[in-house]
Amino acid sequence: KAGVTQTPRYLIKTRGQQVTLSCSPISGHRSVSWYQQTPGQGLQFLFEYFSETQRNKGNFPGRFSGRQFSNSRSEMNVSTLELGDSALYLCASSLRTSSRETQYFGPGTRLLVL
Amino acid sequence: SQQGEEDPQALSIQEGENATMNCSYKTSINNLQWYRQNSGRGLVHLILIRSNEREKHSGRLRVTLDTSKKSSSLLITASRAADTASYFCATETGANNLFFGTGTRLTVIP
Repeated sequence: KAGVTQTPRYLIKTRGQQVTLSCSPISGHRSVSWYQQTPGQGLQFLFEYFSETQRNKGNFPGRFSGRQFSNSRSEMNVSTLELGDSALYLCASSLRTSSRETQYFGPGTRLLVL
Repeated sequence: SQQGEEDPQALSIQEGENATMNCSYKTSINNLQWYRQNSGRGLVHLILIRSNEREKHSGRLRVTLDTSKKSSSLLITASRAADTASYFCATETGANNLFFGTGTRLTVIP
């Protein structure tokens, strides 16, 4: 089975712009979660989507949003970019049939905001 | 914050030695998972231990969980240079979102 894929892998934007990141989960996985990793804050949960519905949301401002399509692919969008949004954005997929499942992570998208 | 703390922040050992890293967390959990990350890349799942388990093994990995102390440890035996990476513990509380620890940076010297 192919793993979780994320596109693009690297991205450079300027303050005020918006960005869309994409994540394709492992085939058959219906849950996609997004995480932000920065040197200062570590790994932080953004949100989870399951069957096109947002199930959980972390403590991030409304500039961070996401969606999931019927094929389970997910996108996250960050509007009005700030310097502090520079980070590695990771998505993870799982079957989500129980709460005791492994999440499989993609390689991440490294976003640099100038 | 539910984020866990890992100890030590950095660890440097010789190849062949054992490496132990510890994780403490704050709330009740369903399970605790350990992940490895190489140089800012994606996370690789290593092992999952459920809240009703006390010890689990997988190859050279041994994980313990003490829910009364809200702590876990990861032991890597007979370390190899390829084990050089950052190791994170993550707790799952039932909502399928993981709360990650601060990580331990392990360097294995050949």
